[in-house]
Amino acid sequence: KNQVEQSPQSLIILEGKNCTLQCNYTVSPFSNLRWYKQDTGRGPVSLTIMTFSENTKSNGRYTATLDADTKQSSLHITASQLSDSASYICVVSVPNFGNEKLTFGTGTRLTIIP
Amino acid sequence: DGGITQSPKYLFRKEGQNVTLSCEQNLNHDAMYWYRQDPGQGLRLIYYSQIVNDFQKGDIAEGYSVSREKKESFPLTVTSAQKNPTAFYLCASSSLSGRAWSYNEQFFGPGTRLTVL
Repeated sequence: KNQVEQSPQSLIILEGKNCTLQCNYTVSPFSNLRWYKQDTGRGPVSLTIMTFSENTKSNGRYTATLDADTKQSSLHITASQLSDSASYICVVSVPNFGNEKLTFGTGTRLTIIP
Repeated sequence: DGGITQSPKYLFRKEGQNVTLSCEQNLNHDAMYWYRQDPGQGLRLIYYSQIVNDFQKGDIAEGYSVSREKKESFPLTVTSAQKNPTAFYLCASSSLSGRAWSYNEQFFGPGTRLTVL
């Protein structure tokens, strides 16, 4: 059973609009939560990393939020651009001294149309 | 993609053949990882290595083998024992903080798409 659930599975929006992607997790104990962007046929690229003590972090037009109590995170994209078309993957980390175990969500496929 | 390279980008294999996927990094990272990505599934860890000449099995190591003879290189061999090898393979690397409750960002390579004919 995948312990990181993302919704929606896919999303299509018009260029310039905002959108929010959701991530719910049941992984415990929790160290940090990451959002990655993956273009088709490429490797994932990190957008944000939040520890359990952080509840929001921004990277340009991307803003991630984290509620460690409800085990929910969201990624908000503002003023979407065609280049935002990609899969967005939520990743939760379990601490392991000197290293970590990452649990990956299945991703949300975002398509921006002109 | 940063300082991680994977080759080849596309690889075709006949059933019963072993193939080796290359992964090189120039980030001076101690740790390296191999993941497999299938449609509709999250990335799954195959093997990881934190130091030269040492590596650990991940969640789906059966049918795969690795070596870590150099810090910058972590090749993955997909053997004929792997029942369903067609997938997108991703290599990653990270530094190691050595502190509990710390995190180390993993940087991913561009991937190799393996297809079994």
